[in-house]
Amino acid sequence: DGGITQSPKYLFRKEGQNVTLSCEQNLNHDAMYWYRQDPGQGLRLIYYSQIVNDFQKGDIAEGYSVSREKKESFPLTVTSAQKNPTAFYLCASREKLFFGSGTQLSVL
Amino acid sequence: GQNIDQPTEMTATEGAIVQINCTYQTSGFNGLFWYQQHAGEAPTFLSYNVLDGLEEKGRFSSFLSRSKGYSYLLLKELQMKDSASYLCAVMDSNYQLIWGAGTKLIIKP
Repeated sequence: DGGITQSPKYLFRKEGQNVTLSCEQNLNHDAMYWYRQDPGQGLRLIYYSQIVNDFQKGDIAEGYSVSREKKESFPLTVTSAQKNPTAFYLCASREKLFFGSGTQLSVL
Repeated sequence: GQNIDQPTEMTATEGAIVQINCTYQTSGFNGLFWYQQHAGEAPTFLSYNVLDGLEEKGRFSSFLSRSKGYSYLLLKELQMKDSASYLCAVMDSNYQLIWGAGTKLIIKP
Protein backbone atom coordinates (compact mmCIF):
# COMPACT_ATOMS: atom_id res chain seq x y z
CA ASP A 1 0.00 0.00 0.00
CA GLY A 2 1.18 3.52 -0.80
CA GLY A 3 1.64 6.02 1.95
CA ILE A 4 3.88 8.20 4.07
CA THR A 5 5.91 6.70 6.88
CA GLN A 6 7.21 8.82 9.71
CA SER A 7 9.56 7.56 12.38
CA PRO A 8 9.98 7.43 15.23
CA LYS A 9 6.51 7.90 16.75
CA TYR A 10 8.04 9.40 19.92
CA LEU A 11 11.43 11.08 20.27
CA PHE A 12 13.23 12.67 23.17
CA ARG A 13 15.95 15.25 22.79
CA LYS A 14 18.60 16.21 25.31
CA GLU A 15 19.73 19.81 25.57
CA GLY A 16 22.31 20.66 22.92
CA GLN A 17 21.50 17.61 20.84
CA ASN A 18 20.47 17.46 17.20
CA VAL A 19 17.78 14.92 16.31
CA THR A 20 16.51 13.77 12.92
CA LEU A 21 12.93 12.86 12.08
CA SER A 22 12.43 10.49 9.18
CA CYS A 23 9.80 10.84 6.45
CA GLU A 24 9.51 8.37 3.58
CA GLN A 25 6.81 8.20 0.90
CA ASN A 26 6.10 5.71 -1.89
CA LEU A 27 3.34 7.77 -3.53
CA ASN A 28 5.67 9.16 -6.20
CA HIS A 29 4.78 12.70 -5.11
CA ASP A 30 7.15 15.52 -5.98
CA ALA A 31 6.04 17.93 -3.25
CA MET A 32 6.75 17.20 0.41
CA TYR A 33 6.20 19.31 3.51
CA TRP A 34 7.11 19.47 7.19
CA TYR A 35 4.68 21.02 9.66
CA ARG A 36 4.84 21.70 13.36
CA GLN A 37 1.68 21.49 15.48
CA ASP A 38 1.42 23.02 18.94
CA PRO A 39 -1.68 22.73 21.16
CA GLY A 40 -4.31 25.33 20.32
CA GLN A 41 -2.51 26.51 17.20
CA GLY A 42 -2.80 25.83 13.51
CA LEU A 43 -0.20 23.83 11.64
CA ARG A 44 2.86 25.89 10.83
CA LEU A 45 5.07 25.21 7.82
CA ILE A 46 8.74 24.54 8.58
CA TYR A 47 10.17 23.55 5.19
CA TYR A 48 8.87 22.28 1.89
CA SER A 49 10.34 20.73 -1.22
CA GLN A 50 8.82 20.74 -4.69
CA ILE A 51 11.52 18.64 -6.34
CA VAL A 52 14.60 16.58 -5.54
CA ASN A 53 17.65 18.59 -4.43
CA ASP A 54 15.57 21.70 -3.84
CA PHE A 55 13.75 22.95 -0.75
CA GLN A 56 12.37 26.21 0.59
CA LYS A 57 11.98 27.69 4.05
CA GLY A 58 8.51 27.95 5.49
CA ASP A 59 7.27 30.30 8.16
CA ILE A 60 9.30 28.86 11.07
CA ALA A 61 12.48 27.40 9.56
CA GLU A 62 14.90 28.76 12.17
CA GLY A 63 16.50 25.94 14.16
CA TYR A 64 15.58 23.29 11.58
CA SER A 65 17.28 21.82 8.52
CA VAL A 66 16.20 19.42 5.78
CA SER A 67 17.57 17.55 2.79
CA ARG A 68 15.94 16.09 -0.32
CA GLU A 69 18.47 13.77 -1.92
CA LYS A 70 15.81 11.30 -3.04
CA LYS A 71 12.24 11.80 -4.16
CA GLU A 72 11.03 9.36 -1.53
CA SER A 73 12.78 10.87 1.47
CA PHE A 74 12.56 14.26 3.23
CA PRO A 75 14.22 14.06 6.67
CA LEU A 76 13.96 16.93 9.15
CA THR A 77 16.75 17.73 11.62
CA VAL A 78 15.84 19.65 14.74
CA THR A 79 19.06 21.37 15.73
CA SER A 80 20.22 22.59 19.12
CA ALA A 81 19.42 26.11 17.91
CA GLN A 82 15.71 25.32 18.17
CA LYS A 83 15.09 26.32 21.78
CA ASN A 84 11.50 25.15 22.03
CA PRO A 85 11.32 21.92 20.03
CA THR A 86 8.55 20.17 21.96
CA ALA A 87 5.72 19.71 19.44
CA PHE A 88 3.98 17.25 17.16
CA TYR A 89 5.74 17.12 13.80
CA LEU A 90 3.87 16.14 10.66
CA CYS A 91 5.26 15.26 7.25
CA ALA A 92 2.98 15.52 4.25
CA SER A 93 3.12 15.18 0.50
CA ARG A 94 1.33 16.78 -2.43
CA GLU A 95 -0.90 19.87 -2.43
CA LYS A 96 -3.99 18.18 -1.03
CA LEU A 97 -1.78 16.70 1.60
CA PHE A 98 -1.42 13.11 2.56
CA PHE A 99 0.02 13.08 6.06
CA GLY A 100 2.35 10.72 7.85
CA SER A 101 1.38 9.52 11.31
CA GLY A 102 3.46 12.18 13.04
CA THR A 103 6.35 12.31 15.52
CA GLN A 104 5.93 13.69 19.04
CA LEU A 105 9.20 15.32 20.05
CA SER A 106 9.85 16.13 23.69
CA VAL A 107 12.80 17.60 25.54
CA LEU A 108 14.41 15.71 28.41
CA GLY B 1 -2.09 39.49 7.44
CA GLN B 2 -3.65 36.16 6.68
CA ASN B 3 -6.14 34.75 9.12
CA ILE B 4 -8.36 31.70 9.52
CA ASP B 5 -10.97 31.72 12.30
CA GLN B 6 -12.94 28.79 13.63
CA PRO B 7 -14.50 28.09 17.03
CA THR B 8 -12.19 26.51 19.56
CA GLU B 9 -14.63 23.90 20.82
CA MET B 10 -18.15 22.66 20.16
CA THR B 11 -20.34 20.07 21.83
CA ALA B 12 -23.11 18.05 20.17
CA THR B 13 -25.26 15.01 20.87
CA GLU B 14 -24.95 11.62 19.22
CA GLY B 15 -27.35 11.35 16.29
CA ALA B 16 -27.71 15.11 15.91
CA ILE B 17 -26.35 17.57 13.31
CA VAL B 18 -23.52 20.06 13.89
CA GLN B 19 -22.16 22.89 11.75
CA ILE B 20 -18.56 24.02 12.16
CA ASN B 21 -17.86 27.46 10.70
CA CYS B 22 -14.66 28.83 9.23
CA THR B 23 -14.00 32.40 8.11
CA TYR B 24 -10.88 33.45 6.31
CA GLN B 25 -8.88 36.44 5.10
CA THR B 26 -6.03 35.43 2.83
CA SER B 27 -3.82 36.73 0.05
CA GLY B 28 -5.63 35.10 -2.82
CA PHE B 29 -7.67 31.93 -2.81
CA ASN B 30 -7.02 28.58 -4.44
CA GLY B 31 -9.36 26.40 -2.47
CA LEU B 32 -10.44 25.53 1.05
CA PHE B 33 -9.80 22.24 2.79
CA TRP B 34 -11.34 20.47 5.77
CA TYR B 35 -9.43 17.83 7.71
CA GLN B 36 -10.34 15.60 10.63
CA GLN B 37 -7.74 14.95 13.31
CA HIS B 38 -8.12 12.53 16.21
CA ALA B 39 -5.94 13.20 19.24
CA GLY B 40 -2.33 12.16 18.70
CA GLU B 41 -2.93 11.24 15.08
CA ALA B 42 -2.33 12.88 11.71
CA PRO B 43 -5.06 14.90 9.96
CA THR B 44 -7.09 13.07 7.35
CA PHE B 45 -8.58 14.79 4.31
CA LEU B 46 -12.35 15.36 4.36
CA SER B 47 -13.18 17.85 1.62
CA TYR B 48 -11.94 20.44 -0.84
CA ASN B 49 -14.02 23.40 -2.10
CA VAL B 50 -12.86 25.83 -4.74
CA LEU B 51 -16.23 26.95 -6.16
CA ASP B 52 -19.18 28.38 -4.26
CA GLY B 53 -21.79 25.96 -3.08
CA LEU B 54 -22.33 22.77 -1.18
CA GLU B 55 -20.34 19.56 -1.63
CA GLU B 56 -21.91 16.47 -0.09
CA LYS B 57 -20.01 13.34 0.80
CA GLY B 58 -21.98 10.88 2.87
CA ARG B 59 -22.68 12.22 6.36
CA PHE B 60 -20.31 15.15 5.78
CA SER B 61 -20.99 18.22 3.65
CA SER B 62 -18.88 21.33 3.09
CA PHE B 63 -20.08 24.74 1.94
CA LEU B 64 -18.14 27.66 0.51
CA SER B 65 -18.94 31.32 -0.13
CA ARG B 66 -15.90 33.04 -1.62
CA SER B 67 -17.52 36.50 -1.57
CA LYS B 68 -18.08 36.20 2.19
CA GLY B 69 -14.81 34.44 2.97
CA TYR B 70 -16.82 31.74 4.71
CA SER B 71 -17.12 27.99 4.81
CA TYR B 72 -18.81 25.45 7.01
CA LEU B 73 -18.54 21.74 7.58
CA LEU B 74 -21.83 20.00 8.30
CA LEU B 75 -21.82 16.65 10.07
CA LYS B 76 -25.08 14.68 10.16
CA GLU B 77 -26.14 11.65 12.21
CA LEU B 78 -23.27 12.22 14.60
CA GLN B 79 -21.46 9.19 15.93
CA MET B 80 -19.13 8.96 18.92
CA LYS B 81 -16.21 8.34 16.56
CA ASP B 82 -16.76 11.84 15.12
CA SER B 83 -15.25 13.25 18.31
CA ALA B 84 -12.11 14.90 16.94
CA SER B 85 -10.63 18.22 15.92
CA TYR B 86 -11.69 19.63 12.58
CA LEU B 87 -9.14 21.78 10.78
CA CYS B 88 -9.94 24.41 8.16
CA ALA B 89 -7.16 25.41 5.76
CA VAL B 90 -7.06 27.83 2.81
CA MET B 91 -4.62 27.66 -0.09
CA ASP B 92 -3.38 31.17 -0.85
CA SER B 93 -2.14 32.75 -4.08
CA ASN B 94 1.28 31.14 -3.57
CA TYR B 95 -0.36 27.71 -3.25
CA GLN B 96 0.62 27.54 0.40
CA LEU B 97 -1.86 26.29 3.00
CA ILE B 98 -2.89 28.64 5.80
CA TRP B 99 -4.32 26.71 8.73
CA GLY B 100 -6.92 27.51 11.34
CA ALA B 101 -6.27 26.40 14.92
CA GLY B 102 -8.94 23.72 14.65
CA THR B 103 -12.31 23.09 16.30
CA LYS B 104 -12.48 20.38 18.94
CA LEU B 105 -15.82 18.60 18.59
CA ILE B 106 -17.11 16.72 21.63
CA ILE B 107 -19.92 14.23 21.07
CA LYS B 108 -22.09 13.31 24.05
CA PRO B 109 -24.31 10.22 24.21
